Amino acid sequence: GENVEQHPSTLSVQEGDSAVIKCTYSDSASNYFPWYKQELGKGPQLIIDIRSNVGEKKDQRIAVTLNKTAKHFSLHITETQPEDSAVYFCAETDSWGKFQFGAGTQVVVTP
Amino acid sequence: GAGVSQSPSNKVTEKGKDVELRCDPISGHTALYWYRQSLGQGLEFLIYFQGNSAPDKSGLPSDRFSAERTGGSVSTLTIQRTQQEDSAVYLCASSAGQGGEKLFFGSGTQLSVL
Repeated sequence: GENVEQHPSTLSVQEGDSAVIKCTYSDSASNYFPWYKQELGKGPQLIIDIRSNVGEKKDQRIAVTLNKTAKHFSLHITETQPEDSAVYFCAETDSWGKFQFGAGTQVVVTP
Repeated sequence: GAGVSQSPSNKVTEKGKDVELRCDPISGHTALYWYRQSLGQGLEFLIYFQGNSAPDKSGLPSDRFSAERTGGSVSTLTIQRTQQEDSAVYLCASSAGQGGEKLFFGSGTQLSVL
C-alpha cells in the first residue's frame, strides 16, 4: 500500500443526519480496506471492512462503499447518534505489506 | 483476555532515560505493528514484524528507537535517551497474516517525557 488521503478532517453533523467520510488511495494492488473508530483514550477499534471483490457492505447503521476504478472508498453512517462522536480512520493494504492509514476524521454529533 | 495487551498503560520518565514498552499480541497472530500517535494526530507507522521475515523498520524516527519480537510473540519497543518530543501514545496492533487480515489494536501506552 501507499499513501491514503482522507477527507474531511473534521465533520460536524446533527443527530439523526448522515455522515460520509471518503478516502482515496494510489496503489492498484490494494485489496483490503478497513475502517476504525477511535474514542478518547482508547485504541482504534475495527468497525467495518471491505475487500476488493465487493462494492458495498452494510452493518446496521454503517456501510462502506468501494470504487476500485476510481480508487476511493467511503464510510457512511446513517441516523447518527451522540455515541458516534469519535475519530475515524480509513486504511488499506495489499497482500504483501503493512497497513497504510488515513489522517483521520473527527466526527462530532450534536444533539 | 483475547485482545492485544500493552504495558504499561502509562509511563512517565525523565528526559535522557531509556524506556521499554511491551506488547502481547493476540495468540497465533504472525504480524505485529507499532504505531505512534501524538495528541490529536494520526497514526505514525514505526515498525512491522511478519513471521520470521526481517522487520520493516522504515518508520523508526531515529536510531534511539528499536524493537524486538521474541519467539514470534511478545514485542518490546525501546526508546533510548528519551526526548520530550517522544511524548505520545504508542499503539501496538496484530493480525493473523500477511496483508488482508483484520488488524486489532491494543489500548496503547501513554508516554510522557518530562
